[in-house]
Amino acid sequence: KQEVTQIPAALSVPEGENLVLNCSFTDSAIYNLQWFRQDPGKGLTSLLLIQSSQREQTSGRLNASLDKSSGRSTLYIAASQPGDSATYLCAVKNTGFQKLVFGTGTRLLVSP
Amino acid sequence: DTGVSQNPRHKITKRGQNVTFRCDPISEHNRLYWYRQTLGQGPEFLTYFQNEAQLEKSRLLSDRFSAERPKGSFSTLEIQRTEQGDSAMYLCASSPRGLAGGTDTQYFGPGTRLTVL
Repeated sequence: KQEVTQIPAALSVPEGENLVLNCSFTDSAIYNLQWFRQDPGKGLTSLLLIQSSQREQTSGRLNASLDKSSGRSTLYIAASQPGDSATYLCAVKNTGFQKLVFGTGTRLLVSP
Repeated sequence: DTGVSQNPRHKITKRGQNVTFRCDPISEHNRLYWYRQTLGQGPEFLTYFQNEAQLEKSRLLSDRFSAERPKGSFSTLEIQRTEQGDSAMYLCASSPRGLAGGTDTQYFGPGTRLTVL
């Protein structure tokens, strides 16, 4: 059974800092991994999707890496801004299945 | 088409009542998913449709839950005889059928927040 863990559970940083969010998964037979952002009381916004054959994906100030063999992914946020404050969720899709298995998220607060 | 829509956005009901939620996916997305999210947790998968066929179903989906996608477009999720433990955010997502080598990003709607009193 796939299990996804995210560390830390919460993170508070001053504006401008670079930061790293971690995601680990127990079953390396993944098809892809997706990072989402969720604002309080809202739905999920897809940030980046990494296929199992890829090592990283970049979008603006965001960079996500994937090490499938060790069961880890990181989301790097450069030059953080108060508008980045949200919960960040990592989700994996296993080969042969359509469902996403989510971690519990990292709550990020960027203070001005 | 601006994205996945869900209605209602909020629903308050008394224990024992039936409720129905609707999801309209992004047009031409043939895959549709339902998830449930409780406070402080990540979403948990409930069920998945490809066109009108329900192909995956979680053990979380008890006999009181039923989902349909009759014409392969919108979907409904019904909960019968609601219990307080059903209080959660119900999220719908859609994705296009993946092409070989292509991506299959799931796009989520805003959710329906259910409160069972």
